[in-house]
Amino acid sequence: QKEVEQNSGPLSVPEGAIASLNCTYSDRGSQSFFWYRQYSGKSPELIMSIYSNGDKEDGRFTAQLNKASQYVSLLIRDSQPSDSATYLCAVILTGGGNKLTFGTGTQLKVEL
Amino acid sequence: DTAVSQTPKYLVTQMGNDKSIKCEQNLGHDTMYWYKQDSKKFLKIMFSYNNKELIINETVPNRFSPKSPDKAHLNLHINSLELGDSAVYFCASSQDWNNQPQHFGDGTRLSIL
Repeated sequence: QKEVEQNSGPLSVPEGAIASLNCTYSDRGSQSFFWYRQYSGKSPELIMSIYSNGDKEDGRFTAQLNKASQYVSLLIRDSQPSDSATYLCAVILTGGGNKLTFGTGTQLKVEL
Repeated sequence: DTAVSQTPKYLVTQMGNDKSIKCEQNLGHDTMYWYKQDSKKFLKIMFSYNNKELIINETVPNRFSPKSPDKAHLNLHINSLELGDSAVYFCASSQDWNNQPQHFGDGTRLSIL
């Protein structure tokens, strides 16, 4: 099992819809979870961090964490074409020096 | 002001050459990192330094040697470049090494001819 797994997509949603991006992780002891957005040819940009079970909202973004199920998700409400990018889930694994381990990313396409 | 800056942005060189990439952060962070993003876009950590001390050294060939002269700088020197070294190399920093979010530089695109 990969340490951090994401569906590579592409995930296509119409403009104005809710985009739902999912991520599972293997380390049950992980406590820190992040979502990064990466536009083509650019660097990863932090958009959300979450540390406790439940939902965390920031503008149009909501991160959801369920440690019992080892599952973290990102919802994007009112999706815009400018949201089209690759979304990287990242988890700090408890073994080996607090490494930030990335999933392979989900490509999101928001269509007009 | 750029928070994490890397130079150069692009590096094109021949196999067998030696090259360096520099990184500087002005965020006052204690911890800095080097990542490699390959052609399949998978982002993987290579090294991490906390207050100039090496704390993470992933299974990276010893042709790669990081150096941290102070906590604001982390440079990466690569000897005897190989075709497989072609990738984008990202520098990042975080407040400390204990679960803090990381902020990335713009990347250095290394192409080996």
